[in-house]
Amino acid sequence: QKEVEQNSGPLSVPEGAIASLNCTYSDRVSQSFFWYRQYSGKSPELIMSIYSNGDKEDGRFTAQLNKASQYVSLLIRDSQPSDSATYLCAVNTHGQNFVFGPGTRLSVLP
Amino acid sequence: EAGVAQSPRYKIIEKRQSVAFWCNPISGHATLYWYQQILGQGPKLLIQFQNNGVVDDSQLPKDRFSAERLKGVDSTLKIQPAKLEDSAVYLCASSFAGSGYEQYFGPGTRLTVT
Repeated sequence: QKEVEQNSGPLSVPEGAIASLNCTYSDRVSQSFFWYRQYSGKSPELIMSIYSNGDKEDGRFTAQLNKASQYVSLLIRDSQPSDSATYLCAVNTHGQNFVFGPGTRLSVLP
Repeated sequence: EAGVAQSPRYKIIEKRQSVAFWCNPISGHATLYWYQQILGQGPKLLIQFQNNGVVDDSQLPKDRFSAERLKGVDSTLKIQPAKLEDSAVYLCASSFAGSGYEQYFGPGTRLTVT
């Protein structure tokens, strides 16, 4: 059974700090990695995708992938209270077998 | 561009009854997904369609759940008969071929089985 693990949190950071969210996965042949944000009572929305080792930056968000360690992370710079949400890591192989992690709840304190 | 549409938004049924959910993906998105999200958990993939063919239904409880996408656009997911443990949000998502399978989700249907 392919697994994706995340710390459930809550992760609390002060406004303006960097939030670091981590995800590990069990399937070594996983190819595509995604971060979604989900506000309470809402559906997930895509933040970033990453496919190759290294960093990928988009505004205040940076995704980091290390396939050798089977590890993917999301950094949120200058965290805002509006970033308070659950962050879901998702992994897939060859365009199928999509697996989501349980999510990490982030709380940004004003 | 219109997003993924789902209906109904809420449904309350008694156990052993049947229920159906409808999804209309983003125009041009060939891949459609149905997920079940139980409160406090991440979404679990039930079935993935590529056009009107099934790509992955390994986690679909086939004794009670069924899904179809007859013309490669709209899709329906049915539960018959429902159990208490089916209470969840049912999410539909779609992705564009060549987009790296970035999925865009609809608003979901919240199902309560009593």
